Amino acid sequence: GAVVSQHPSRVICKSGTSVKIECRSLDFQATTMFWYRQFPKQSLMLMATSNEGSKATYEQGVEKDKFLINHASLTLSTLTVTSAHPEDSSFYICSAAIGTSGSSEQFFGPGTRLTVL
Amino acid sequence: GENVEQHPSTLSVQEGDSAVIKCTYSDSASNYFPWYKQELGKRPQLIIDIRSNVGEKKDQRIAVTLNKTAKHFSLHITETQPEDSAVYFCAASRGGGADGLTFGKGTHLIIQP
Repeated sequence: GAVVSQHPSRVICKSGTSVKIECRSLDFQATTMFWYRQFPKQSLMLMATSNEGSKATYEQGVEKDKFLINHASLTLSTLTVTSAHPEDSSFYICSAAIGTSGSSEQFFGPGTRLTVL
Repeated sequence: GENVEQHPSTLSVQEGDSAVIKCTYSDSASNYFPWYKQELGKRPQLIIDIRSNVGEKKDQRIAVTLNKTAKHFSLHITETQPEDSAVYFCAASRGGGADGLTFGKGTHLIIQP
């Protein structure tokens, strides 16, 4: 099956600093990747759609200047949480879709646990 | 946008019994409905999915049914085992799986030995 990796798996940072999370498709090319956020004991919420070579599409309520997304290659998308605050502490998970038009499925990365002190 | 409701939030069944989790969706253009199993601190794992051109799909002990008219779909797990204990999420999207997913709130399935 398709493999999606994320790095780092855990990060602890001080309030006000920026954190970069990488999402890689290891054995396939992904023109589109997705970023989700999951707070403890809650569901996954789609934050944005990352498109290779173009600007990301953000969901309503997600600040694009705070959550910077770069999809510079067909195997790598990055999410940078800028000026992180304690309320940004969450589990960030990326996914990539693989398959033909109209018949795809998404594979998730292992997630990144962000703790902002 | 899409809204996915999932019930129940917690389901406790005896080992060997069946478990059913139900979801409804609001966007009639949604055409892809996956189910994920998530263990604590881990990534969601796809266990089964169904597309809008099919009414039912089965894979060993797991089955999913879809009623497009009523906009609801259900997960059925038969002969439950302790390792089935986890949180299960339903989701919906347009684009046949190539669009972002809208998730239900999840069901914590507990298998009692």
